[in-house]
Amino acid sequence: SQQGEEDPQALSIQEGENATMNCSYKTSINNLQWYRQNSGRGLVHLILIRSNEREKHSGRLRVTLDTSKKSSSLLITASRAADTASYFCATEIFSGNTPLVFGKGTRLSVIA
Amino acid sequence: DTGVSQNPRHKITKRGQNVTFRCDPISEHNRLYWYRQTLGQGPEFLTYFQNEAQLEKSRLLSDRFSAERPKGSFSTLEIQRTEQGDSAMYLCASSQNYQPQHFGDGTRLSIL
Repeated sequence: SQQGEEDPQALSIQEGENATMNCSYKTSINNLQWYRQNSGRGLVHLILIRSNEREKHSGRLRVTLDTSKKSSSLLITASRAADTASYFCATEIFSGNTPLVFGKGTRLSVIA
Repeated sequence: DTGVSQNPRHKITKRGQNVTFRCDPISEHNRLYWYRQTLGQGPEFLTYFQNEAQLEKSRLLSDRFSAERPKGSFSTLEIQRTEQGDSAMYLCASSQNYQPQHFGDGTRLSIL
């Protein structure tokens, strides 16, 4: 079963704007990860945030985690057409490379 | 690092036939995972291995499904007596040493 829900389900923005996607989950976790998937392709790992962390940055990505609300957000700044993809949050309940539980994803369209 | 390789990329078969998919993980990765993804949904965990040992199977994995990793390298996923509901993208991922999972581009199965 899916652990989380992403919000919104779809998002369309202009190039250069920021995109924010939210994820909620149901159980206690060890870490939360964000993945990107281009149409018809596999998933690419973007960033991992551990349960004892509140914010993490990687290039144009900023991830926050609020374990009290069981929620996370992914911010992509200065978006580009190449950022067009589906974005999934995934939770790992235990540490040590255990299976991931994915949400349903947000489809992001960046219009040039 | 040649990435995770999955074959075939596409498989079309008639209902009731058996199909087998292959996954070649990144060579030094000891963990290998299978997920299934239907249209508009996030991936759902099926099963995973550490070396040749199958550690966990999801309830999604009915008795028509079997997975092996005989020498701790490549893995196969077989579906017997395929049904319409088996139509999906089957994704393989591998990992090691608390690093994120790397995904292949999947095998898309279509049941006629």
